[in-house]
Amino acid sequence: DAGVIQSPRHEVTEMGQEVTLRCKPISGHDYLFWYRQTMMRGLELLIYFNNNVPIDDSGMPEDRFSAKMPNASFSTLKIQPSEPRDSAVYFCASSPFFVGASQPQHFGDGTRLSIL
Amino acid sequence: TQLLEQSPQFLSIQEGENLTVYCNSSSVFSSLQWYRQEPGEGPVLLVTVVTGGEVKKLKRLTFQFGDARKDSSLHITAAQPGDTGLYLCAGAHRGGSQGNLIFGKGTKLSVKP
Repeated sequence: DAGVIQSPRHEVTEMGQEVTLRCKPISGHDYLFWYRQTMMRGLELLIYFNNNVPIDDSGMPEDRFSAKMPNASFSTLKIQPSEPRDSAVYFCASSPFFVGASQPQHFGDGTRLSIL
Repeated sequence: TQLLEQSPQFLSIQEGENLTVYCNSSSVFSSLQWYRQEPGEGPVLLVTVVTGGEVKKLKRLTFQFGDARKDSSLHITAAQPGDTGLYLCAGAHRGGSQGNLIFGKGTKLSVKP
């Protein structure tokens, strides 16, 4: 089975530009998560979806960030306008639903974003 | 906000040595997961511990969940260069949303040949 697929793997752009990160979760997984990872702050949850519905977006840093999940097989994270402090590795993860124990999360390989 | 603190932050050892890394919190977690992340890749799940006092072994890796379910440790016996990576612990909060995990900042392990 294919894992979580993220694109692009690397993105370098100038501040002020719109950035769109893409994610295809594992088929059949009901949960999708967007994380940001930096040396200073570690892995931070930005937002997560259950059955395509956003459940918790309290980690989204500002209104410049938005995320959508139009269907079960695709999600986007947009930053507009981008700023140098947004530079980080952005991960998408998905997990199956089951009750009674925490769910394993399956991560993509990330998008390394550099805002100049 | 519940925090998971991991220690040490960095660890550099020689091949063959033993080591233990820690994951501590003031909060109770219903379960705790350990992940390993290699450069340029996403974290990969190693193990999930659920019961207080539980011990799980994965080859040379031994994971323990504290009796009060507030802390956990990972012990590696006879470390090898292939063990190099960032080790992350993540807790699921009892009563919280089923989807949400709280991650620590990780322990970066380097095993030199």
